[in-house]
Amino acid sequence: NAGVTQTPKFRILKIGQSMTLQCTQDMNHNYMYWYRQDPGMGLKLIYYSVGAGITDKGEVPNGYNVSRSTTEDFPLRLELAAPSQTSVYFCASIGRTHRGSNQPQHFGDGTRLSIL
Amino acid sequence: AQKVTQAQTEISVVEKEDVTLDCVYETRDTTYYLFWYKQPPSGELVFLIRRNSFDEQNEISGRYSWNFQKSTSSFNFTITASQVVDSAVYFCALSGPSNDYKLSFGAGTTVTVRA
Repeated sequence: NAGVTQTPKFRILKIGQSMTLQCTQDMNHNYMYWYRQDPGMGLKLIYYSVGAGITDKGEVPNGYNVSRSTTEDFPLRLELAAPSQTSVYFCASIGRTHRGSNQPQHFGDGTRLSIL
Repeated sequence: AQKVTQAQTEISVVEKEDVTLDCVYETRDTTYYLFWYKQPPSGELVFLIRRNSFDEQNEISGRYSWNFQKSTSSFNFTITASQVVDSAVYFCALSGPSNDYKLSFGAGTTVTVRA
Protein backbone atom coordinates (compact mmCIF):
# COMPACT_ATOMS: atom_id res chain seq x y z
CA ASN A 1 0.00 0.00 0.00
CA ALA A 2 1.38 3.37 -1.03
CA GLY A 3 -0.80 5.31 1.45
CA VAL A 4 -0.68 9.06 0.80
CA THR A 5 1.69 10.11 -1.98
CA GLN A 6 2.79 13.70 -2.51
CA THR A 7 4.69 15.08 -5.47
CA PRO A 8 7.03 16.82 -5.87
CA LYS A 9 9.14 16.45 -2.73
CA PHE A 10 11.01 19.70 -3.33
CA ARG A 11 10.39 22.72 -5.52
CA ILE A 12 11.75 26.23 -5.93
CA LEU A 13 9.48 28.81 -7.51
CA LYS A 14 9.95 32.40 -8.54
CA ILE A 15 7.57 35.04 -7.23
CA GLY A 16 4.44 35.15 -9.37
CA GLN A 17 4.79 31.64 -10.79
CA SER A 18 2.08 29.06 -10.33
CA MET A 19 2.20 25.35 -9.59
CA THR A 20 0.13 22.42 -8.43
CA LEU A 21 1.07 20.18 -5.53
CA GLN A 22 -0.23 16.69 -6.13
CA CYS A 23 -1.71 14.40 -3.48
CA THR A 24 -3.03 10.90 -4.09
CA GLN A 25 -4.26 8.28 -1.65
CA ASP A 26 -5.07 4.65 -2.40
CA MET A 27 -7.03 3.85 0.77
CA ASN A 28 -10.45 4.99 -0.51
CA HIS A 29 -10.57 7.62 2.22
CA ASN A 30 -13.39 10.16 2.19
CA TYR A 31 -11.62 12.95 4.03
CA MET A 32 -8.53 14.68 2.71
CA TYR A 33 -6.63 17.68 4.04
CA TRP A 34 -3.86 20.10 3.11
CA TYR A 35 -1.71 21.57 5.87
CA ARG A 36 1.25 23.89 5.80
CA GLN A 37 4.07 23.96 8.34
CA ASP A 38 6.17 27.07 8.65
CA PRO A 39 9.64 26.79 10.24
CA GLY A 40 9.43 26.08 13.97
CA MET A 41 5.65 26.00 13.94
CA GLY A 42 2.83 23.51 14.09
CA LEU A 43 0.65 22.59 11.14
CA LYS A 44 -2.13 24.85 9.92
CA LEU A 45 -5.02 23.70 7.76
CA ILE A 46 -5.30 25.23 4.29
CA TYR A 47 -8.21 23.36 2.68
CA TYR A 48 -10.00 20.10 3.19
CA SER A 49 -12.51 17.83 1.50
CA VAL A 50 -15.08 15.43 2.92
CA GLY A 51 -15.62 13.66 -0.39
CA ALA A 52 -15.40 13.96 -4.16
CA GLY A 53 -16.84 17.26 -5.34
CA ILE A 54 -16.82 18.85 -1.89
CA THR A 55 -14.14 21.22 -0.62
CA ASP A 56 -13.97 23.80 2.13
CA LYS A 57 -11.59 26.38 3.51
CA GLY A 58 -9.40 25.82 6.51
CA GLU A 59 -7.55 28.28 8.68
CA VAL A 60 -5.18 29.75 6.04
CA PRO A 61 -6.76 29.40 2.55
CA ASN A 62 -5.69 32.70 0.97
CA GLY A 63 -3.50 32.26 -2.10
CA TYR A 64 -4.53 28.63 -2.68
CA ASN A 65 -7.17 26.66 -4.52
CA VAL A 66 -8.15 23.01 -4.45
CA SER A 67 -10.34 20.58 -6.33
CA ARG A 68 -11.59 17.08 -5.60
CA SER A 69 -12.84 15.46 -8.78
CA THR A 70 -12.05 11.91 -7.59
CA THR A 71 -11.83 10.17 -4.23
CA GLU A 72 -8.13 9.50 -4.75
CA ASP A 73 -6.78 12.92 -5.75
CA PHE A 74 -6.72 16.25 -3.95
CA PRO A 75 -4.38 18.72 -5.72
CA LEU A 76 -3.43 22.07 -4.19
CA ARG A 77 -2.88 24.99 -6.56
CA LEU A 78 -0.80 28.12 -5.98
CA GLU A 79 -1.76 30.71 -8.58
CA LEU A 80 0.65 33.58 -7.86
CA ALA A 81 3.46 32.37 -5.64
CA ALA A 82 4.55 34.74 -2.88
CA PRO A 83 7.50 34.50 -0.45
CA SER A 84 5.00 34.05 2.42
CA GLN A 85 4.05 30.70 0.90
CA THR A 86 7.50 29.27 1.51
CA SER A 87 6.67 26.30 3.72
CA VAL A 88 6.42 22.55 3.95
CA TYR A 89 3.08 21.26 2.73
CA PHE A 90 1.51 18.07 4.02
CA CYS A 91 -1.44 16.19 2.61
CA ALA A 92 -3.40 13.83 4.84
CA SER A 93 -6.41 11.55 4.63
CA ILE A 94 -8.74 9.62 6.90
CA GLY A 95 -11.59 7.20 6.36
CA ARG A 96 -15.01 7.61 7.90
CA THR A 97 -14.54 7.02 11.59
CA HIS A 98 -16.73 5.01 13.87
CA ARG A 99 -17.00 4.96 17.63
CA GLY A 100 -14.19 2.82 18.98
CA SER A 101 -12.18 2.81 15.78
CA ASN A 102 -8.56 3.77 15.97
CA GLN A 103 -7.74 5.54 12.73
CA PRO A 104 -5.12 8.26 12.74
CA GLN A 105 -4.78 10.69 9.89
CA HIS A 106 -2.39 9.31 7.29
CA PHE A 107 0.16 11.90 6.20
CA GLY A 108 2.22 12.13 3.05
CA ASP A 109 5.94 12.81 3.35
CA GLY A 110 5.51 16.49 2.56
CA THR A 111 6.49 18.93 -0.20
CA ARG A 112 9.17 21.46 0.67
CA LEU A 113 8.43 24.64 -1.31
CA SER A 114 10.62 27.73 -1.53
CA ILE A 115 9.49 30.95 -3.20
CA LEU A 116 12.35 33.24 -4.21
CA ALA B 1 -13.56 26.16 18.27
CA GLN B 2 -10.77 23.76 19.10
CA LYS B 3 -7.43 24.65 20.57
CA VAL B 4 -4.34 22.69 21.60
CA THR B 5 -1.65 24.17 23.83
CA GLN B 6 1.81 22.73 24.30
CA ALA B 7 3.43 25.03 26.82
CA GLN B 8 6.87 23.45 26.59
CA THR B 9 8.83 24.77 23.62
CA GLU B 10 12.00 22.75 24.14
CA ILE B 11 13.12 19.96 26.45
CA SER B 12 16.69 18.70 26.71
CA VAL B 13 17.55 15.54 28.60
CA VAL B 14 20.38 13.09 28.95
CA GLU B 15 19.90 9.62 27.56
CA LYS B 16 17.91 7.24 29.80
CA GLU B 17 16.06 10.05 31.52
CA ASP B 18 12.27 10.10 31.32
CA VAL B 19 10.59 12.88 29.33
CA THR B 20 7.02 14.06 29.88
CA LEU B 21 5.35 16.28 27.31
CA ASP B 22 2.36 18.35 28.35
CA CYS B 23 -0.73 18.95 26.25
CA VAL B 24 -3.87 20.88 27.18
CA TYR B 25 -6.84 21.08 24.86
CA GLU B 26 -10.15 22.90 24.42
CA THR B 27 -13.16 21.58 22.53
CA ARG B 28 -16.95 21.78 22.57
CA ASP B 29 -17.36 18.26 21.19
CA THR B 30 -18.49 15.57 23.59
CA THR B 31 -16.76 12.95 21.45
CA TYR B 32 -13.29 13.81 20.22
CA TYR B 33 -9.92 12.28 19.46
CA LEU B 34 -6.47 13.15 20.72
CA PHE B 35 -3.19 12.29 19.02
CA TRP B 36 0.52 12.50 19.44
CA TYR B 37 2.71 12.75 16.36
CA LYS B 38 6.49 12.69 16.12
CA GLN B 39 8.43 14.66 13.53
CA PRO B 40 12.07 13.55 13.35
CA PRO B 41 14.74 15.71 11.68
CA SER B 42 13.94 13.99 8.36
CA GLY B 43 10.63 15.86 8.39
CA GLU B 44 7.93 13.24 8.06
CA LEU B 45 5.05 13.02 10.52
CA VAL B 46 4.88 9.75 12.42
CA PHE B 47 1.69 8.78 14.22
CA LEU B 48 2.38 7.61 17.78
CA ILE B 49 -0.86 7.29 19.71
CA ARG B 50 -4.54 8.14 19.55
CA ARG B 51 -7.08 8.35 22.34
CA ASN B 52 -10.87 8.58 22.15
CA SER B 53 -12.61 10.90 24.58
CA PHE B 54 -14.87 8.13 25.84
CA ASP B 55 -11.94 5.96 26.90
CA GLU B 56 -9.89 7.45 29.71
CA GLN B 57 -7.86 4.33 30.35
CA ASN B 58 -4.19 5.18 30.40
CA GLU B 59 -1.84 2.76 28.73
CA ILE B 60 1.76 1.93 28.22
CA SER B 61 3.16 0.87 24.87
CA GLY B 62 6.81 -0.02 25.06
CA ARG B 63 8.66 3.08 26.23
CA TYR B 64 5.64 5.31 25.54
CA SER B 65 2.84 6.01 27.97
CA TRP B 66 0.13 8.61 28.15
CA ASN B 67 -2.04 10.17 30.79
CA PHE B 68 -5.46 11.32 29.60
CA GLN B 69 -7.53 13.31 32.10
CA LYS B 70 -10.83 14.80 30.89
CA SER B 71 -11.31 16.67 34.16
CA THR B 72 -8.28 18.83 33.44
CA SER B 73 -8.44 18.59 29.61
CA SER B 74 -4.93 17.21 29.51
CA PHE B 75 -3.29 14.53 27.39
CA ASN B 76 0.30 14.17 28.53
CA PHE B 77 2.83 11.87 26.91
CA THR B 78 5.86 10.24 28.52
CA ILE B 79 8.91 8.64 26.98
CA THR B 80 10.62 6.35 29.46
CA ALA B 81 14.37 5.77 29.35
CA SER B 82 14.86 8.20 26.47
CA GLN B 83 17.22 7.41 23.62
CA VAL B 84 19.03 9.65 21.14
CA VAL B 85 16.63 8.45 18.41
CA ASP B 86 13.78 10.03 20.36
CA SER B 87 15.13 13.48 19.46
CA ALA B 88 12.37 15.08 17.44
CA VAL B 89 9.53 17.56 17.53
CA TYR B 90 6.41 16.14 19.15
CA PHE B 91 2.96 17.44 18.30
CA CYS B 92 -0.25 17.01 20.20
CA ALA B 93 -3.39 17.24 18.06
CA LEU B 94 -7.16 17.17 18.46
CA SER B 95 -10.01 16.34 16.09
CA GLY B 96 -13.73 15.79 16.32
CA PRO B 97 -16.92 15.28 14.32
CA SER B 98 -18.08 18.88 14.63
CA ASN B 99 -15.28 20.09 12.35
CA ASP B 100 -15.03 17.17 9.92
CA TYR B 101 -12.14 15.58 11.83
CA LYS B 102 -9.75 18.38 10.96
CA LEU B 103 -6.67 18.21 13.13
CA SER B 104 -5.88 21.15 15.37
CA PHE B 105 -2.19 21.01 16.23
CA GLY B 106 -0.25 22.39 19.11
CA ALA B 107 2.90 24.36 18.36
CA GLY B 108 5.10 21.37 19.12
CA THR B 109 7.75 20.52 21.69
CA THR B 110 11.33 19.96 20.55
CA VAL B 111 12.93 17.12 22.46
CA THR B 112 16.70 16.78 22.41
CA VAL B 113 18.20 13.66 23.94
CA ARG B 114 21.94 13.95 24.57
CA ALA B 115 24.19 10.90 24.72
